[in-house]
Amino acid sequence: EDQVTQSPEALRLQEGESSSLNCSYTVSGLRGLFWYRQDPGKGPEFLFTLYSAGEEKEKERLKATLTKKESFLHITAPKPEDSATYLCASGGYQKVTFGTGTKLQVIP
Amino acid sequence: EPEVTQTPSHQVTQMGQEVILRCVPISNHLYFYWYRQILGQKVEFLVSFYNNEISEKSEIFDDQFSVERPDGSNFTLKIRSTKLEDSAMYFCASSVGTGLIRSQYFGPGTRLTVT
Repeated sequence: EDQVTQSPEALRLQEGESSSLNCSYTVSGLRGLFWYRQDPGKGPEFLFTLYSAGEEKEKERLKATLTKKESFLHITAPKPEDSATYLCASGGYQKVTFGTGTKLQVIP
Repeated sequence: EPEVTQTPSHQVTQMGQEVILRCVPISNHLYFYWYRQILGQKVEFLVSFYNNEISEKSEIFDDQFSVERPDGSNFTLKIRSTKLEDSAMYFCASSVGTGLIRSQYFGPGTRLTVT
């Protein structure tokens, strides 16, 4: 069975304090590794798709990287508006399996 | 920017009643999905739909659930006889299609409360 594990469960950062979120996966026939942001009561907001080991994607203060067994979401100099739950997911053409997320709080 | 829309935003129903959740996927997308998220838990896959038929479903998606694309723009999820444990956020998603994996774009969700 596909499994996606995220750590830590929660992370509290001071504004400007960079850090990384981890996502490890064990799936059969991996086609893509996805990162989403979810605000309370809202739907997941697409951030990145990574397809192969060594690939990197960037968007503003966020950078996602992928190895054969893990993905990292690096947050550089975060701001309070980056506070959200960050979801990692993996899957193929159909089903996507989500992790439980990392709840990030950035304190001014 | 195109987005997935869902109605209603909140649905309250009594146990045993039928509910229909509605979604309008992004217009040029070919794959459609339903997921659910029970409060405090992870997002769970329910079903994927392509070319007017179910292409994959999870064990959660039993005979009480059905999906339909009644016209060229809407995609619906029907729960025939709701149970208390069906209370959750239900998200619709869509993606462009086959070939290189395309990212799934999610709607804002419908909060279903079964009393």
